[in-house]
Amino acid sequence: QVQLQESGPGLVKPSETLSLTCTVSGDSMNNYYWSWIRQPPGKGLEWIGYISYSGSTNYNPSLKSRVTISVDTSKNQFSLKLRSVTAADTAVYYCARGETATDCWGQGTLVTVSS
Amino acid sequence: QLVLTQSPSASASLGASVKLTCTLSSGHSSYGIAWHQQQSKKGPRYLMKLSSDGRHIKGDGIPDRFSGSSSGAERYLTISSLQSEDEADYFCQTWVTGIQVFGGGTRLTVL
Repeated sequence: QVQLQESGPGLVKPSETLSLTCTVSGDSMNNYYWSWIRQPPGKGLEWIGYISYSGSTNYNPSLKSRVTISVDTSKNQFSLKLRSVTAADTAVYYCARGETATDCWGQGTLVTVSS
Repeated sequence: QLVLTQSPSASASLGASVKLTCTLSSGHSSYGIAWHQQQSKKGPRYLMKLSSDGRHIKGDGIPDRFSGSSSGAERYLTISSLQSEDEADYFCQTWVTGIQVFGGGTRLTVL
């Protein structure tokens, strides 16, 4: 059964770049789309974007100017970079699978933006 | 604009049934959705994919107590024989090419 695990710094300074990696285990990344989704404390879910196993991407229009998602299928990993972060980017970040319905979620990692 | 609307809260008694609603915005009544459960302090869990005709495909290990149905622009999640562990936030999700959207979530309290 596929499992997803996020990793990366839990604290990022304002104006810097948030970088997270998701490691996929238990299945191949081929033929799937891989997403990043976030949840600010006490709030709902916000889709950030996704990438196909072949590298094509789509992003949330509200974040598109600051986001890059990349994939490395040889390592079974995909990554998120969010530039110029502010306190509003403080959230639990989830990696997930699915171009339509998200059918598998990571456990999430809290990233706090603070100096 | 593609929007999903959910009531902020719902409650039902232990052992009873509850029906949660997710409403698609005007012009999107043919869209499918997915339901997800998020228990306190945990990550979301995929429950099912639900199409406009009411057909649904559940995730691995999801009990038979969870079912989905559709009517027009409304998508429903019914939980029968409520248990204490069903107390959670429930989110719906939909998609169109290149975009995914989540509803605001419904917090279910089991009395």
